[in-house]
Amino acid sequence: GAVVSQHPSRVICKSGTSVKIECRSLDFQATTMFWYRQFPKQSLMLMATSNEGSKATYEQGVEKDKFLINHASLTLSTLTVTSAHPEDSSFYICSARGRGVYEQFFGPGTRLTVL
Amino acid sequence: GENVEQHPSTLSVQEGDSAVIKCTYSDSASNYFPWYKQELGKGPQLIIDIRSNVGEKKDQRIAVTLNKTAKHFSLHITETQPEDSAVYFCAASIHGNQFYFGTGTSLTVIP
Repeated sequence: GAVVSQHPSRVICKSGTSVKIECRSLDFQATTMFWYRQFPKQSLMLMATSNEGSKATYEQGVEKDKFLINHASLTLSTLTVTSAHPEDSSFYICSARGRGVYEQFFGPGTRLTVL
Repeated sequence: GENVEQHPSTLSVQEGDSAVIKCTYSDSASNYFPWYKQELGKGPQLIIDIRSNVGEKKDQRIAVTLNKTAKHFSLHITETQPEDSAVYFCAASIHGNQFYFGTGTSLTVIP
């Protein structure tokens, strides 16, 4: 149980375009989803937290207009990187947490490369 | 806010030996401490966790110990195998809210 999927697993796009990443909880209802960014050989950096049906809460320094997060249902959250630039290239990982539990289960990650 | 430190940053052990990774945290309100294993190019996988109401938890070859007074917790892997090679992250949290991650430990198990 507790499976989280992400799509796509990797994406290459041109500078200035927008990219959408989907995160789904496959076998449980995720009342809270988290989006992280990870640079090579570094730890996970929390970008934002989203609760189903509510606006996402962004961490300091994360541009909410650039990284649009939507948590429209209990099984789906999306991260849209708008007007992507090469410096947005990174490994993006989502995690999901069910109601009343502490555990976060992570997706497999999405490798974004902006040319 | 919470600050989690993790040591060592790299660890090499011979197959069959034990591996220990240690983390310290600063916020005494933290009450949930998960450990994740991350293989190259993949997302972190929860391998074991502990809550502040217990001092030790074990799952086969993996165990975690918690010392609330000293604010540190450790991951113990016994009888290591090559497939244990990965990066391990500790984290601290209050009631499962924001996770504060350590900087990671790259474990290599030498056959």
